[in-house]
Amino acid sequence: GEDVEQSLFLSVREGDSSVINCTYTDSSSTYLYWYKQEPGAGLQLLTYIFSNMDMKQDQRLTVLLNKKDKHLSLRIADTQTGDSAIYFCAESTGFTGGGNKLTFGTGTQLKVEL
Amino acid sequence: GAVVSQHPSRVICKSGTSVKIECRSLDFQATTMFWYRQFPKQSLMLMATSNEGSKATYEQGVEKDKFLINHASLTLSTLTVTSAHPEDSSFYICSASTDADRFRPQHFGDGTRLSIL
Repeated sequence: GEDVEQSLFLSVREGDSSVINCTYTDSSSTYLYWYKQEPGAGLQLLTYIFSNMDMKQDQRLTVLLNKKDKHLSLRIADTQTGDSAIYFCAESTGFTGGGNKLTFGTGTQLKVEL
Repeated sequence: GAVVSQHPSRVICKSGTSVKIECRSLDFQATTMFWYRQFPKQSLMLMATSNEGSKATYEQGVEKDKFLINHASLTLSTLTVTSAHPEDSSFYICSASTDADRFRPQHFGDGTRLSIL
């Protein structure tokens, strides 16, 4: 099966940039996604990137994709305390009717300190 | 846009009870809905995928008679945990996507915390 790896924990100071890394395994993945999960809640879609793109920027979020190394990163500029959460990357691993089946990474706990 | 409502948010019940969880797409037609289970401090585990009007497709190791899924309309899917036991206690999350969005991201509900005594 597919494994999507992330580092478990990241701690940054408020105002600094955060970089969360993800390594995926399915080279045929068409879409890659980043989700945020706050305690006791579902997942919030942050952004996604198509496999033929190298970079996508959306306000404070920048996604970089290195297809050769199967490496995906999420950079959060000017990190705030409200950004503290678990971040999951996900790769599309198949198409089923109206949706992409996803394989999620192990999740990275981001802690923002004052 | 793309709001998914999941209800109830928390259930506590006795062993042997059947529990129904609803997942609704509020502002779009969900062609496909997904049901996940999440254990503490772990990632999401896909349980099943359902397309409107079709039988759900279950992942390997997930008992279809234990976890009944119905996707009767383009805005509603239900997961029923039948004869629940303490080992079924978990966080269950649904998501929905539509083929009207070419990127077809999954939009998630807020999850249901199920505790079986």
